[in-house]
Amino acid sequence: EAQVTQNPRYLITVTGKKLTVTCSQNMNHEYMSWYRQDPGLGLRQIYYSMNVEVTDKGDVPEGYKVSRKEKRNFPLILESPSPNQTSLYFCASSSVWSGGAGHYGYTFGSGTRLTVV
Amino acid sequence: AQRVTQPEKLLSVFKGAPVELKCNYSYSGSPELFWYVQYSRQRLQLLLRHISRESIKGFTADLNKGETSFHLKKPFAQEEDSAMYYCAPKGLTGGGNKLTFGTGTQLKVEL
Repeated sequence: EAQVTQNPRYLITVTGKKLTVTCSQNMNHEYMSWYRQDPGLGLRQIYYSMNVEVTDKGDVPEGYKVSRKEKRNFPLILESPSPNQTSLYFCASSSVWSGGAGHYGYTFGSGTRLTVV
Repeated sequence: AQRVTQPEKLLSVFKGAPVELKCNYSYSGSPELFWYVQYSRQRLQLLLRHISRESIKGFTADLNKGETSFHLKKPFAQEEDSAMYYCAPKGLTGGGNKLTFGTGTQLKVEL
């Protein structure tokens, strides 16, 4: 089954303790992205990646890191989490065409609900 | 700057009534446009893309370049349409590889 898999689904952690949220897709998609979803703010893009070793900042990258060493994986790293990073996080992937000039729309993961206390 | 506006946070309609979820965009160049739906406690799902001009679950959306709008419409709302809907134009200009979502509209279909 074609899917985007995130882990964990839920995580409660303490301020400053480094954590990684994993994301893996089995569709050979070039484009992957991380979003956070907050009430009243909708979805905001954190980072995205056009392909292996190609990443770029989205609209709210502060406090986050990503890497794209393999095409299928795009982990989100919080080096020193803070309470304002409490949110629902979604990973998404998409195939692209024409050298990155367009894409077909995302397949989303199930989400990771992160609470930082 | 690229901007997407969904002016309604909540839209409540009765079952069988027409639905129109508004989305306006401000982009230079020609955007690609998508609508996504998120049912309660579920992941976001792609509902439709304007390029394919498809109709999914009875919903359609037409790109109106004059009004810079991409409103989502359905002639007769069903209870199972209750969900959060996000408009997502994507700019194609100057390295526009971001997919920027609107703030979403919660659709509630009442019996």
